[in-house]
Order: sequence, then structure tokens, then C-alpha cells
Amino acid sequence: SQQGEEDPQALSIQEGENATMNCSYKTSINNLQWYRQNSGRGLVHLILIRSNEREKHSGRLRVTLDTSKKSSSLLITASRAADTASYFCATDASGDSWGKLQFGAGTQVVVTP
Amino acid sequence: KAGVTQTPRYLIKTRGQQVTLSCSPISGHRSVSWYQQTPGQGLQFLFEYFSETQRNKGNFPGRFSGRQFSNSRSEMNVSTLELGDSALYLCASSLAAGLAGPNEQFFGPGTRLTVL
Repeated sequence: SQQGEEDPQALSIQEGENATMNCSYKTSINNLQWYRQNSGRGLVHLILIRSNEREKHSGRLRVTLDTSKKSSSLLITASRAADTASYFCATDASGDSWGKLQFGAGTQVVVTP
Repeated sequence: KAGVTQTPRYLIKTRGQQVTLSCSPISGHRSVSWYQQTPGQGLQFLFEYFSETQRNKGNFPGRFSGRQFSNSRSEMNVSTLELGDSALYLCASSLAAGLAGPNEQFFGPGTRLTVL
């Protein structure tokens, strides 16, 4: 079973707009990570946020984490066509973390020029 | 620093055969995790190896097995292939994996297995 659930399942925006996607999870976590996947290829690591952090930035990415609500959001600002991909959140659950990440179903983002 | 590499990139097998996939982690990473990705089930954890020991495994049948070598390279094997084993198999390597610091995993490009 999957730990995380992303919302929305799909998102279509134009270049220059912001894209926001959300992730909810079920159990206590050590950290939460966001990944990008292009057309069934490998996952590209975007950002990791620890359970004691509330917000983190990396370039055009902004991630928030609310452990009380067991949710996270990923914001991509000023999107580009190259941001077209599927985005996944993955949690590293407390007490079960030997190399195991649990993934959500992903959000498919399409950015049109 | 070179990333995670996986070989082969594509495989076509028939039902009943067995297959071995290989993963070379990032230099210095000692933990290797394997995942299966399918359209229906998404990304699912198979198992994790650290210092040649399996430390964690997911909910997959015994036909799925793996091992890790002293240089941290890992292989996974699927015996008696079924149609449902068609998937993208991803491996990921991690520096710490629970020893110290977060379980930050870096993924390879995957092996696309098609079972006919």
C-alpha cells in the first residue's frame, strides 16, 4: 500500500505560471522527499525536508511540511516546459526506515509554452 | 561523481524464465534499495541491502531476491517470470540509510522488463 497521496492527480498550466501539488501521508515520518520523473525514466531527487523543518527552498522549488496535518506541498514557481513530468512525494517512515521509501501515486504536470 | 547505473536498460523475457538486474551505486554509498514501478501499483519497495546484508524487504513473493557484493554493487533476481512482473525496476543508493542523517536516495535510470 502507498503511504502518500498526491493531489491533484494531474495539473496543466502555461509557462510562467506556478504549479502547486500536495501530498498527504499516514504515519510518523523522519523526512519527506520530492522526486521528478520524466516519461518513465529514473527518479530525479528534488528536495528533502526533515520532520523538524517547516519550509525549504531550492531554486524555483518551495516545499512545506505540516507534520500535525501529515501533509506537504511542492510549489514550482515560474514554470517552464522542461518542468513537464510526474512528481512524487516519498516518506521515510519512523521505525521502518532501513532504505525504504513509500511513494504516493504522483502528480502529472504538463507545462505548455 | 557518477550517478547510479543500472544494466541492462531494457529486457524482454518470456513467462517462466528468470532474469538478473544489476545496479551500481554512487561511489561511497553503501545502501542499495530496489523498487518496482507499474502503472497499476505505482512505486513499491522490494528490498534494501547494506554491507551485503538485507535489512528490509517489501511485500513481494520469494521469486524476487537480491544480493549485494562487497563493492556495494547489487543484483536482483526474479525467477519464474509472470506477465505481471512487467515493470520498470529502479534501484536507489543512499549514503547513510538510517545510520546517520536522512535516508536521501538517488535513483538510477531503471531497467524496463517486459514479460511476454
